[in-house]
Amino acid sequence: DAGVIQSPRHEVTEMGQEVTLRCKPISGHNSLFWYRQTMMRGLELLIYFNNNVPIDDSGMPEDRFSAKMPNASFSTLKIQPSEPRDSAVYFCASSPRDRGATQYFGPGTRLLVL
Amino acid sequence: QQQVKQSPQSLIVQKGGISIINCAYENTAFDYFPWYQQFPGKGPALLIAIRPDVSEKKEGRFTISFNKSAKQFSLHIMDSQPGDSATYFCAAPPKGAGNNRKLIWGLGTSLAVNP
Repeated sequence: DAGVIQSPRHEVTEMGQEVTLRCKPISGHNSLFWYRQTMMRGLELLIYFNNNVPIDDSGMPEDRFSAKMPNASFSTLKIQPSEPRDSAVYFCASSPRDRGATQYFGPGTRLLVL
Repeated sequence: QQQVKQSPQSLIVQKGGISIINCAYENTAFDYFPWYQQFPGKGPALLIAIRPDVSEKKEGRFTISFNKSAKQFSLHIMDSQPGDSATYFCAAPPKGAGNNRKLIWGLGTSLAVNP
């Protein structure tokens, strides 16, 4: 199993640009999570999908952030326009139906907004 | 407010020593308490988890102990090794989660094991 796949692994962009992060969950998993990790705020849940449907987006910081999951094998997190304070590591995680709250994380995307 | 308070923030242990990380939960669900391990440049990975029907769970050198009355659970790493140097996170499901699988996370403990 390839695990959760994220791309790109690193992204450097300028303030105001659109950023799209991509995630391929583990095959057969039915829940998908987007997290942001910073030194100051730790690991923050941004949004969570179950069976491709957004269940909880209370962690999405503002309207500049949006996430989609068009099918069971792909999700995107978009930031438009990006700001320097969005600089962080963004993780995608997936969870299988029969393993309760166990989450499997991808390697993350390190985003730097200049 | 539902939260998980983790301590200490950082920990330095000599090789062969015991590492102890504590978590206190408040207003969370009471059915599952996982610990995750994160190495630099990697995503967190499940290390060990416990359900409250047992007071202790051991997997190799890693042990979770659970104190229901104190609303605390702890991770013990016996015979700590330099390869254990990582950040450790505790987590718990939110109260009333039902089928919601989100977790409430502690802020992490950075463990350094000196050779």
